[in-house]
Amino acid sequence: SQTIHQWPATLVQPVGSPLSLECTVEGTSNPNLYWYRQAAGRGLQLLFYSVGIGQISSEVPQNLSASRPQDRQFILSSKKLLLSDSGFYLCAWSVIVNEQFFGPGTRLTVL
Amino acid sequence: QKEVEQNSGPLSVPEGAIASLNCTYSDRGSQSFFWYRQYSGKSPELIMSIYSNGDKEDGRFTAQLNKASQYVSLLIRDSQPSDSATYLCAVKGTGFQKLVFGTGTRLLVSP
Repeated sequence: SQTIHQWPATLVQPVGSPLSLECTVEGTSNPNLYWYRQAAGRGLQLLFYSVGIGQISSEVPQNLSASRPQDRQFILSSKKLLLSDSGFYLCAWSVIVNEQFFGPGTRLTVL
Repeated sequence: QKEVEQNSGPLSVPEGAIASLNCTYSDRGSQSFFWYRQYSGKSPELIMSIYSNGDKEDGRFTAQLNKASQYVSLLIRDSQPSDSATYLCAVKGTGFQKLVFGTGTRLLVSP
């Protein structure tokens, strides 16, 4: 069966510091991968998606970036965090069908 | 106009009752519809998907789709306190497997 991991689970970072969040998927090959952010009291916002290694599509221009160095690894990064980057970051995967499955998430607080 | 709209709630029902959650969407070309359950502090969990007009039943859950009215609903029969969560409606819009999420309806089931 498929499993999706995210780490860290929680993170507290100062404004202006860098960020690296990692997501890995097990039990499937060539998945589509997604990064979402859920701000407090708000809906899920799609940030990036990837259909393959090195292929990244950005949905919202901001100070975040994403990379996919391996088939089942998806990384979300920032060079300098803003207060507005606080939120619940979710990685998701899908294959040919439309259903997306979420990882456990990383709760980021920027102070 | 929001692309996917849900009443934020909370929707309060007594244990054993039927909970009815509703969602409307704006993109007439949408073909795939999903319901996710999200417990407080946790990531969304896919509970139902529906692709054709009509009803789809899975245990205590029934999804209903009316594409002409651009309306999708989720019925939960014999509601339990453990069903208390936020329910997110998601619709596959145009473009590559992009899901558009509503902001969710909070359901409270009282013992």
